[in-house]
Amino acid sequence: GENVEQHPSTLSVQEGDSAVIKCTYSDSASNYFPWYKQELGKRPQLIIDIRSNVGEKKDQRIAVTLNKTAKHFSLHITETQPEDSAVYFCAASKGSGGYQKVTFGTGTKLQVIP
Amino acid sequence: EPEVTQTPSHQVTQMGQEVILRCVPISNHLYFYWYRQILGQKVEFLVSFYNNEISEKSEIFDDQFSVERPDGSNFTLKIRSTKLEDSAMYFCASSSRRDIIMNTEAFFGQGTRLTVV
Repeated sequence: GENVEQHPSTLSVQEGDSAVIKCTYSDSASNYFPWYKQELGKRPQLIIDIRSNVGEKKDQRIAVTLNKTAKHFSLHITETQPEDSAVYFCAASKGSGGYQKVTFGTGTKLQVIP
Repeated sequence: EPEVTQTPSHQVTQMGQEVILRCVPISNHLYFYWYRQILGQKVEFLVSFYNNEISEKSEIFDDQFSVERPDGSNFTLKIRSTKLEDSAMYFCASSSRRDIIMNTEAFFGQGTRLTVV
């Protein structure tokens, strides 16, 4: 089955700096890569996603890149703010026809220091 | 905006007891899922459900677990005889509107924290 590795496990940055989280996946059939932000005790919330036919996607301060050949994908957060502090999970899915069994990475705890 | 709802938010049960976790998926979604997250760990897939039957399950989903869609709205996860290691946050999710058969995101409920004592 799919295996998603995520690094680093913890990340501390100063407010205003950038944060980068990297993931790799194993199943070349995976075609959808969501990123979730999870605050303590709450549900995973989708913050951005990318599909395998796209190499990069940006939404305001958040961007994701995908390298299908290397099976790498990354999350970039620019101009970090204290409210960005949370656990971030990358994930991979090879859903088709709307089926979305998601395999999560191990999570990155991001701390933004004011 | 429609959302997945779960009840209860927190369930405490004694080891060996049966528990039923309830979920109401988004009304026009076709696929339903249960995930588990042990405290401080990643979210793990348990089972998916489509067209009134299990479509996929993980090795975590053993004979102690079962799922059911007893009516047109609820989707339940039953653990027959709870163990201490079943303590976790359980998330329900659903995906894919009936009128859009394509890759869409899975929407997660707010979770049920199960504590087995």
